[in-house]
Amino acid sequence: AQSVTQLDSQVPVFEEAPVELRCNYSSSVSVYLFWYVQYPNQGLQLLLKYLSGSTLVESINGFEAEFNKSQTSFHLRKPSVHISDTAEYFCAVRDTGGFKTIFGAGTRLFVKA
Amino acid sequence: DAGITQSPRHKVTETGTPVTLRCHQTENHRYMYWYRQDPGHGLRLIHYSYGVKDTDKGEVSDGYSVSRSKTEDFLLTLESATSSQTSVYFCAISESSTGTGELFFGEGSRLTVL
Repeated sequence: AQSVTQLDSQVPVFEEAPVELRCNYSSSVSVYLFWYVQYPNQGLQLLLKYLSGSTLVESINGFEAEFNKSQTSFHLRKPSVHISDTAEYFCAVRDTGGFKTIFGAGTRLFVKA
Repeated sequence: DAGITQSPRHKVTETGTPVTLRCHQTENHRYMYWYRQDPGHGLRLIHYSYGVKDTDKGEVSDGYSVSRSKTEDFLLTLESATSSQTSVYFCAISESSTGTGELFFGEGSRLTVL
């Protein structure tokens, strides 16, 4: 069985500052890794994903995440955040042979002016 | 945007009453899921379906049942609602068990059990 731990429940940060949202996972098999974002009063939407290949993956709005197999981590980073990045971010894992996605508890990113 | 519609979007009910939430998709995706979202817990999988009439339990299935008689509809039923089932419920769909398995989510159904 897989599990996901998001190490920070809330992350306040000033606009244009860098941010890192931490995610660690546990699994006995190979996994796919995802970051989803939820804006207020909306459903979740995919931000980025790691399937295979390059361990650094990027989103269209400047976020990136790096898969670190030895540390079983998939931390999300952005070098300069905007007010519009305020949202809740969920790390998720799915084993490569299955179809159940397991989510972490979420990290609320609050960007201040 | 993926064509996923959840109904009702909001519901207030009393303890002990049955409740059914509906998820309707227009994408013809094989896999459908019901999650609940609670503060501090993220999303937890309740039940999922891998085809018509093929369903299985997730992490928190006690007190819930599901049915899928058509590809496009996945129903979640609370036979006798309890206050602990007050939550926001999300339906999600996925194209296949292979490939990326990316989930597409509905807008959520907020359920309050008094």
